[in-house]
Amino acid sequence: DADVTQTPRNRITKTGKRIMLECSQTKGHDRMYWYRQDPGLGLRLIYYSFDVKDINKGEISDGYSVSRQAQAKFSLSLESAIPNQTALYFCATSEGLAGGPPSGELFFGEGSRLTVL
Amino acid sequence: DQQVKQNSPSLSVQEGRISILNCDYTNSMFDYFLWYKKYPAEGPTFLISISSIKDKNEDGRFTVFLNKSAKHLSLHIVPSQPGDSAVYFCAASPAGGTSYGKLTFGQGTILTVHP
Repeated sequence: DADVTQTPRNRITKTGKRIMLECSQTKGHDRMYWYRQDPGLGLRLIYYSFDVKDINKGEISDGYSVSRQAQAKFSLSLESAIPNQTALYFCATSEGLAGGPPSGELFFGEGSRLTVL
Repeated sequence: DQQVKQNSPSLSVQEGRISILNCDYTNSMFDYFLWYKKYPAEGPTFLISISSIKDKNEDGRFTVFLNKSAKHLSLHIVPSQPGDSAVYFCAASPAGGTSYGKLTFGQGTILTVHP
């Protein structure tokens, strides 16, 4: 089983619908992230969370919200989906400061492909 | 404004030869640099990293070079193998514990290694 699991893997929805992408991890990491990938733009940070009580906006948070339900779970919501949110979404984790300096290495899930019509 | 740029969308190399992937950055606050590899239908996976206090880091067939004055880094793969065919992303972050993981990525370069 993957260390970082994303559901659903693929989703097609319509403009205006509410969508939730879920992420769970078994790596025991404190830090979790949501990135989106668009062709020609690489990956861009949407939200990140350093622990259950700490949630922060990333580079492109408008139109998105997140919830950190537990150390292992971090979900991304699109309250009212629009076509330019069509993208490949990645959840990632990394080590926190406890136990030593973090390496900066991210561990990614397999991605959730979202299409908004 | 793209702070991390990979100006070559694709690169084609013969098996056994060297692959050189390039990356430029504009933010002088970037202190830590990473390369990720991504196969289709999979998430990116960490490949190699380098801190700004170094100019070279080597791991097997993979070597990353950093030129801070030019704000340029490169990934060398020697010898290239067909299994190296993937999308390669360059990424960077500023110094500081709260910055780790908050990576700025380049657009990616598609590497194809021909047998």
